[in-house]
Amino acid sequence: GENVEQHPSTLSVQEGDSAVIKCTYSDSASNYFPWYKQELGKRPQLIIDIRSNVGEKKDQRIAVTLNKTAKHFSLHITETQPEDSAVYFCAASINNAGNMLTFGGGTRLMVKP
Amino acid sequence: DTGVSQDPRHKITKRGQNVTFRCDPISEHNRLYWYRQTLGQGPEFLTYFQNEAQLEKSRLLSDRFSAERPKGSFSTLEIQRTEQGDSAMYLCASSLFSGPSSYEQYFGPGTRLTVT
Repeated sequence: GENVEQHPSTLSVQEGDSAVIKCTYSDSASNYFPWYKQELGKRPQLIIDIRSNVGEKKDQRIAVTLNKTAKHFSLHITETQPEDSAVYFCAASINNAGNMLTFGGGTRLMVKP
Repeated sequence: DTGVSQDPRHKITKRGQNVTFRCDPISEHNRLYWYRQTLGQGPEFLTYFQNEAQLEKSRLLSDRFSAERPKGSFSTLEIQRTEQGDSAMYLCASSLFSGPSSYEQYFGPGTRLTVT
């Protein structure tokens, strides 16, 4: 089955700096890669996703890149703010086979004011 | 709130008891997923439904676990003879499957189960 590895497990940045979180996946059939943000005690919230037919997607301060050959994808957050502090999870799935998500282990992002 | 809802939010039970959780998906969503999340880990897939049909079950889902979605709307997840290892957050997510595509999954707030 699919295996998703996520690094780093913790990341501390100064407010205004950029943050990058990286994930690798094992199943070359995976074609959908969402990112979720989870604040303490709250539900995972979808913040951005990318499908395998594109290499990059941006939404304001957030961007995701995908390298299908290397089987890795990354989340980039620019101009970080204290409210970006949370745990971020990457995930992978095969969209036309039920779309069951396999998650990475999470990255705890701390943005220091 | 038109998002995914789950009930109860917290459940404390004694080992050996049975528990049942409920999930109400976003109203037009025909797919419903159950995941389990333990502290410090990412969610793990348990099972999913398309309408009322249960289409996939993870090997994590032992015989003590059963899920239903009888009318294709809300779903229930029952755990029989609970064990301490069942303590976790049980998350429900829903999505709209349309033709060959089913992408965004939206999560509910979860039910936190503590088995004592």
